[in-house]
Amino acid sequence: EVQLVESGGGLVQPGGSLRLSCVTSGFTFSNYRMNWVRQAPGKGLEWVASIKQEGTEKYYVDSLEGRFTISRDNAKNSLSLQMNSLRAEDTAVYYCARGYDSSGYLPGVWGKGTTVTVSS
Amino acid sequence: QSVLTQPPSASGTPGQRVTISCSGSSSNIGSNYVHWYQQLPGTAPKLLIYRNNQRPSGVPDRFSGSQSGTSASLAISGLRSEDEADYHCAAWDGSLRGVVFGGGTKLTVL
Repeated sequence: EVQLVESGGGLVQPGGSLRLSCVTSGFTFSNYRMNWVRQAPGKGLEWVASIKQEGTEKYYVDSLEGRFTISRDNAKNSLSLQMNSLRAEDTAVYYCARGYDSSGYLPGVWGKGTTVTVSS
Repeated sequence: QSVLTQPPSASGTPGQRVTISCSGSSSNIGSNYVHWYQQLPGTAPKLLIYRNNQRPSGVPDRFSGSQSGTSASLAISGLRSEDEADYHCAAWDGSLRGVVFGGGTKLTVL
């Protein structure tokens, strides 16, 4: 069974940092592109970042202004998102999502999400 | 403001057929596949349609997708109460070099 389990969310003050992790199982992690997608309370889905299989190509939504970094460890079947200079508008549920197949970025399998709250 | 445009709401009665539209541009829907996701209340999104019109195993054939030009549509026939959920479209955008989503459509079964 394919599983993606996020962790690392919590309450953080504005300007602070958090590192989200996603541990995966049930598939060959190194064969798939991976994504982080977030959903602010009561809002739609917003793609945050994607990373290619080897970890050499990374893409980010423009609005992040360089504050977030996506990375992966193929040996540990895990995905990470380092979030710095957090703002109130970063408050959201963050989902780890695997590409549908080995050639596409569009999410096909999602984790249950981890909640990030940025507030003083 | 989402890159892909969906109606914020849709509704239908049990047994009816409803369609949800997703409008984009030449850099996303016009040149790349569209996926559709169903998000039941309080849960993570689930893949409903991939590559414009393909259903993953386990998704009933009541759900179908289509794409034409820079627009896509999700159709749900034989509407059931358990179809009440948010529906999201997504595509890769070659100009933005990223995944773009619609704002989501809340489907109500009356």
